[in-house]
Amino acid sequence: GAGVSQTPSNKVTEKGKYVELRCDPISGHTALYWYRQSLGQGPEFLIYFQGTGAADDSGLPNDRFFAVRPEGSVSTLKIQRTERGDSAVYLCASSRVGLADNEQFFGPGTRLTVL
Amino acid sequence: LAKTTQPISMDSYEGQEVNITCSHNNIATNDYITWYQQFPSQGPRFIIQGYKTKVTNEVASLFIPADRKSSTLSLPRVSLSDTAVYYCLVGGAAGNKLTFGGGTRVLVKP
Repeated sequence: GAGVSQTPSNKVTEKGKYVELRCDPISGHTALYWYRQSLGQGPEFLIYFQGTGAADDSGLPNDRFFAVRPEGSVSTLKIQRTERGDSAVYLCASSRVGLADNEQFFGPGTRLTVL
Repeated sequence: LAKTTQPISMDSYEGQEVNITCSHNNIATNDYITWYQQFPSQGPRFIIQGYKTKVTNEVASLFIPADRKSSTLSLPRVSLSDTAVYYCLVGGAAGNKLTFGGGTRVLVKP
């Protein structure tokens, strides 16, 4: 079956611009996660959705980052006024239920480069 | 917030058993421990998950001592295709942010 997909696969933008990253989870998965991964490091948790609501957004680094999941399926991560330090691979994952005792299925990621 | 620590890298040979230990001293009571495998330019892939004692599936075993302050992923009889980065993930209990370790780069040699 179809896995988690993310678009675009690569995004190059200029400092100060706005970007949107999209995640299509596995159909029927109620939980959705966003992570950020810098080169040579483990994924860093950003936000977790249970259905349409953000159950935990404690990992968002600042108010330039925002994510939505209006219909409980597709999610969009939005970054305003991008900075060079935002350059990383942004990973999305989904799971049948949420948090503990679950298997997260990851997408291939979106590589964001801020020039 | 559970901080996790793993060795940076490990080398092994085909057919050997590889054991990777992750330290998570501040693990919360309801946290689970999950291990993922990641190849270059791909998202992590689930290997195994446990809460306590030992868990075994078709690809790995996970050993968790009674105090749960560490966990060991065991990969039996590795092959060249097992060369990857392995991450432990701790968390999941309400209010506990999911925390990945820094990853262990495993190189399997012929």
